[in-house]
Amino acid sequence: GAVVSQHPSWVICKSGTSVKIECRSLDFQATTMFWYRQFPKQSLMLMATSNEGSKATYEQGVEKDKFLINHASLTLSTLTVTSAHPEDSSFYICSGERPDFTDTQYFGPGTRLTVL
Amino acid sequence: GEDVEQSLFLSVREGDSSVINCTYTDSSSTYLYWYKQEPGAGLQLLTYIFSNMDMKQDQRLTVLLNKKDKHLSLRIADTQTGDSAIYFCAERTGRRALTFGSGTRLQVQP
Repeated sequence: GAVVSQHPSWVICKSGTSVKIECRSLDFQATTMFWYRQFPKQSLMLMATSNEGSKATYEQGVEKDKFLINHASLTLSTLTVTSAHPEDSSFYICSGERPDFTDTQYFGPGTRLTVL
Repeated sequence: GEDVEQSLFLSVREGDSSVINCTYTDSSSTYLYWYKQEPGAGLQLLTYIFSNMDMKQDQRLTVLLNKKDKHLSLRIADTQTGDSAIYFCAERTGRRALTFGSGTRLQVQP
């Protein structure tokens, strides 16, 4: 199979602090990873596409200075929420694209962020 | 533009078949996927279908694709209580990110 992990699985932080979320592909190399955000009872919204060794591509309306993405290796991408505010509270899910003939995306278990 | 729609809720009895429907608008879709999400968890890939296929069967799961009508369905045979979850369809077009539907909450009653 293809396994993607995320760490931490949940985090509570104070307003104004920064939080880093890690996304790792455990048994495959992912040149491309994606970061999604999911609000309660809603669908997943793409935030950014993360490419190993290059700058992330952000979706319209997503602040790149607030949501810093670093894809330092073929198995690790990180999302840092800087100066977090309560409205940033959400479920963040990453996915890794396995490079086979279908380029299927495999998702991590998600990170629940609560900003007080 | 890309738009994927699903009905929000489906309730079935244990042992019955469940059919979850999805419509999409982008005719350039290459792959279409079904993912399952249990409460508080990430997305589990159930199955996918290439856009030039009409049907794909994988154990209890049957995917039907009507490309002309841009309609995708997932049939779960012999639905079990463990199948209760939210099911997302997603399409992939030229861009590599997926566009997700709103999700269908499947409730299986014993």
